[in-house]
Amino acid sequence: EAGVAQSPRYKIIEKRQSVAFWCNPISGHATLYWYQQILGQGPKLLIQFQNNGVVDDSQLPKDRFSAERLKGVDSTLKIQPAKLEDSAVYLCASSALSRGANYGYTFGSGTRLTVV
Amino acid sequence: AQSVTQLGSHVSVSEGALVLLRCNYSSSVPPYLFWYVQYPNQGLQLLLKYTTGATLVKGINGFEAEFKKSETSFHLTKPSAHMSDAAEYFCTVRRGTGGFKTIFGAGTRLFVKA
Repeated sequence: EAGVAQSPRYKIIEKRQSVAFWCNPISGHATLYWYQQILGQGPKLLIQFQNNGVVDDSQLPKDRFSAERLKGVDSTLKIQPAKLEDSAVYLCASSALSRGANYGYTFGSGTRLTVV
Repeated sequence: AQSVTQLGSHVSVSEGALVLLRCNYSSSVPPYLFWYVQYPNQGLQLLLKYTTGATLVKGINGFEAEFKKSETSFHLTKPSAHMSDAAEYFCTVRRGTGGFKTIFGAGTRLFVKA
């Protein structure tokens, strides 16, 4: 099966600019996650979607970050305006998880964002 | 609250030596535990998982992990390291309720010396 697709792979922007990342999960996976991975740290969940509804966005900095998952398939994550501390790898993952917790996630290759 | 502690941010072994990456968790309910591997410039890949049943779990690439409830541990092992095992390894715990939130450890980078 095709994996989780993310684009772009790399992005360099200046602070206060905006940026958007795109994710296409594995076909049929109802659950989609966006993680932020700062260099030297483990991934931190930003937002979790179940189909096109938000399950958990408690750690999403909502003053600058937004995410949507239209039609329960593709998702976009946006940062506006970007700050230097937003430099990180943004990982998208999907899972067949619905009511069971024993499914692993499938991760995309990530988007490496550098804010200068 | 659930948490994961990975002991040692860096581990170095010689090729052919035993690999042991340590993970301890805290959970108020029976946890679901996972190990992921991240190769340079790639996303994370599932190595193995523990949900219920047998406490010794075998994964891909010759890795295995043992769930020890009494020690709240889920250490990852491989009998003989290969150069291709050099990567970052993450232990994760998943809460079984409320959306199944996954908590990641800080990661352990494995170096393999020739």
